[in-house]
Amino acid sequence: SQQGEEDPQALSIQEGENATMNCSYKTSINNLQWYRQNSGRGLVHLILIRSNEREKHSGRLRVTLDTSKKSSSLLITASRAADTASYFCATDAYYGNNRLAFGKGNQVVVIP
Amino acid sequence: DSGVTQTPKHLITATGQRVTLRCSPRSGDLSVYWYQQSLDQGLQFLIQYYNGEERAKGNILERFSAQQFPDLHSELNLSSLELGDSALYFCASSVGDSLGGEQYFGPGTRLTVT
Repeated sequence: SQQGEEDPQALSIQEGENATMNCSYKTSINNLQWYRQNSGRGLVHLILIRSNEREKHSGRLRVTLDTSKKSSSLLITASRAADTASYFCATDAYYGNNRLAFGKGNQVVVIP
Repeated sequence: DSGVTQTPKHLITATGQRVTLRCSPRSGDLSVYWYQQSLDQGLQFLIQYYNGEERAKGNILERFSAQQFPDLHSELNLSSLELGDSALYFCASSVGDSLGGEQYFGPGTRLTVT
């Protein structure tokens, strides 16, 4: 199995609404990252949260980390059509030989 | 624009063939990572090079190999291609070798094996 497993959801929301997606992982981590991928394009780093942090903000993004539950959430506030993308969480837990393990991604569609 | 370049953007080839994908990292980045993304497997880490040396291996098949050259660009060689190798191949780079650091992704090479 793979570290960084997002809730398997495709989210469709109206512009201006908030979008929340979750990620769970299995072993201890040093940090957790969120990336965005527009259709068929490269991933773009959004935010990194360290294991000793509980919450982090970056613009309209808010990430929380609960190490006791081995889970993280990404909140996008006041969504825009340009936020339509897939969102991946990635953990640095050493699992096999992987250096950074990505989840399968959450697809978010923001309807104008 | 991440600063990471990959060529070619698209590649169509037949089963049994061999192809080479090329990646140039961001200026100053010493680490290069290769990933494979497919619908069924998701984003899979293949291999990492740091300053010319192999640093970590992931789910890379024996038919695949990579190297990083003195100018830090990297190539991923895929041989004896199978239909299942059709995927998006991404290269990413980072400044150092620290586990789990921020990575900068290239636009990818879409490989189609027919």
